[in-house]
Amino acid sequence: NAGVTQTPKFQVLKTGQSMTLQCAQDMNHNSMYWYRQDPGMGLRLIYYSASEGTTDKGEVPNGYNVSRLNKREFSLRLESAAPSQTSVYFCASRRGGERVQPQHFGDGTRLSIL
Amino acid sequence: RKEVEQDPGPFNVPEGATVAFNCTYSNSASQSFFWYRQDCRKEPKLLMSVYSSGNEDGRFTAQLNRASQYISLLIRDSKLSDSATYLCVVNPVDSNYQLIWGAGTKLIIKP
Repeated sequence: NAGVTQTPKFQVLKTGQSMTLQCAQDMNHNSMYWYRQDPGMGLRLIYYSASEGTTDKGEVPNGYNVSRLNKREFSLRLESAAPSQTSVYFCASRRGGERVQPQHFGDGTRLSIL
Repeated sequence: RKEVEQDPGPFNVPEGATVAFNCTYSNSASQSFFWYRQDCRKEPKLLMSVYSSGNEDGRFTAQLNRASQYISLLIRDSKLSDSATYLCVVNPVDSNYQLIWGAGTKLIIKP
């Protein structure tokens, strides 16, 4: 009963390094999402994928890229990490296309950029 | 005006009391609404969907007021374990995929 699985759970990077956050869901959901959450702020959408093969920018896409590898997996890449990208990153999935369906979240990745 | 607004709190409430908080939204055509709970920067977890007629789940009652564009969450007989941040979420009518998140209301239940 895994639901949404994110890896890694914690990561420390130096400015300029790159890394990829992994997300996988086993609920056969169509839509997947990447959010960041900073202290005192709500979730902000970085990118989302409405269905396999499509990706779209959210509210704060600059500095990030995504890949919807297949229906299960949706990765988030930081090409050149900056201190402003220090945050908690959440991946979520949703059955998709049906407005009444909620999102289900992974445990989050705590990322620090030094 | 933010699309979804919540009083950040914190609401300090004695155990056993009833507490209610609201969330306002700006898009009058919004269709779907949810309350999530988040503990200490862990992942948000769905608390309940909000239906037009209002709905109840145990000690929790959610209401939708379309005329005034807000949803509410009422918690009866509050428990220490109810201490968390409550996030209001709205699905705007012009998006089948994106949800708009409030910043959350922090609730602290005191013994």
